Amino acid sequence: AQTVTQSQPEMSVQEAETVTLSCTYDTSESDYYLFWYKQPPSRQMILVIRQEAYKQQNATENRFSVNFQKAAKSFSLKISDSQLGDAAMYFCAYRFNYGGSQGNLIFGKGTKLSVKP
Amino acid sequence: GAVVSQHPSRVICKSGTSVKIECRSLDFQATTMFWYRQFPKQSLMLMATSNEGSKATYEQGVEKDKFLINHASLTLSTLTVTSAHPEDSSFYICSARAMGQVLTGELFFGEGSRLTVL
Repeated sequence: AQTVTQSQPEMSVQEAETVTLSCTYDTSESDYYLFWYKQPPSRQMILVIRQEAYKQQNATENRFSVNFQKAAKSFSLKISDSQLGDAAMYFCAYRFNYGGSQGNLIFGKGTKLSVKP
Repeated sequence: GAVVSQHPSRVICKSGTSVKIECRSLDFQATTMFWYRQFPKQSLMLMATSNEGSKATYEQGVEKDKFLINHASLTLSTLTVTSAHPEDSSFYICSARAMGQVLTGELFFGEGSRLTVL
């Protein structure tokens, strides 16, 4: 069974600095998606970034980028120039990709990110 | 991006009563919707997968008679917590996948519903 592990329950970063959130996963599949979702205090889940496993190039979205190491099954999120609005719970998620898949996400336990002014 | 609306956002009910939570895709059609439960400071746990026009698929350990899911149309899925008890108190979140978007992987989430059973 697929599992997603986030080993950092909490992280803290100074405003304008850079922080990296860790995520590892376990799967025997070769074709899948990985995601980072943000859940602010409002509890609304927001997609931060997505990575297709077949793509070697790391995904980037403005200040957010990932370090995808497929062989190591690692998928870390780097937030550059951290802002106060980045404070939230961050969840790493996995989705298996095959024809007919229901497509549900498997989530890690989350990392609570605090941003200090 | 696509919008999923969940209602009510908060509900308080007495033990033994039933509560219905609605999940609507506002600007897209969703063939599949997922219902998650989230305990305080914990991750999202998939409860069931809801497909339009067919029976929901429940995860192991989830009582299908207690958590009734109906996906009557391409834009609406409902979760009914029947005979609610205090241990059912939790945050419930729905998510939806747009038709034709199976290969992109992205799910769109509702705002969540906090259920408190007294």
